[in-house]
Amino acid sequence: KQEVTQIPAALSVPEGENLVLNCSFTDSAIYNLQWFRQDPGKGLTSLLLIQSSQREQTSGRLNASLDKSSGRSTLYIAASQPGDSATYLCAVRGTVENNNDMRFGAGTRLTVKP
Amino acid sequence: GAVVSQHPSWVICKSGTSVKIECRSLDFQATTMFWYRQFPKQSLMLMATSNEGSKATYEQGVEKDKFLINHASLTLSTLTVTSAHPEDSSFYICSARAGAGANVLTFGAGSRLTVL
Repeated sequence: KQEVTQIPAALSVPEGENLVLNCSFTDSAIYNLQWFRQDPGKGLTSLLLIQSSQREQTSGRLNASLDKSSGRSTLYIAASQPGDSATYLCAVRGTVENNNDMRFGAGTRLTVKP
Repeated sequence: GAVVSQHPSWVICKSGTSVKIECRSLDFQATTMFWYRQFPKQSLMLMATSNEGSKATYEQGVEKDKFLINHASLTLSTLTVTSAHPEDSSFYICSARAGAGANVLTFGAGSRLTVL
């Protein structure tokens, strides 16, 4: 069974810093990996989707990388802003053989202080 | 883009009652829908996978008689929490995909259930 781990569980940084969030998974047979943002009490906002054949994706100040063989992904946030404060979830989607289901990490709660 | 709507967004009910949550794909046909549960400060946990026209597949530890899932059409799946108890209070989120192997899962905004 796929297990997804996110480190750190919580992170507090001053505004303007660059930061990295880590995600690891136990089964490298994945379909894709996705990073989400979740604000308190709300649903999910998809940030970046990386296909299993890709190494990285970029969107604005966000860059996500994928190393499938080692079971790792990172989310890099450049020049952090207070509005980036949220919980960031990493989710791995299994292959068709694994029913394509999606497993989530426990998330990293990010606080960016003004 | 693809939109998934959940209703209600929040509900409060008395212990022992049943609550139905709807998940609709507004502009695409969803052959498969997934239901997740999220307790405070925890991650989303997959509860069940629902394929249109067939019985849902439940994850280990999820009671199928308590969490009834119906996916009778390509645009609607429902989750009914039967005889709800306070420990069922949680945030429930659904996601949908257009077809087998479809690239993107679209998530609903979630439904917060509070059982008194």
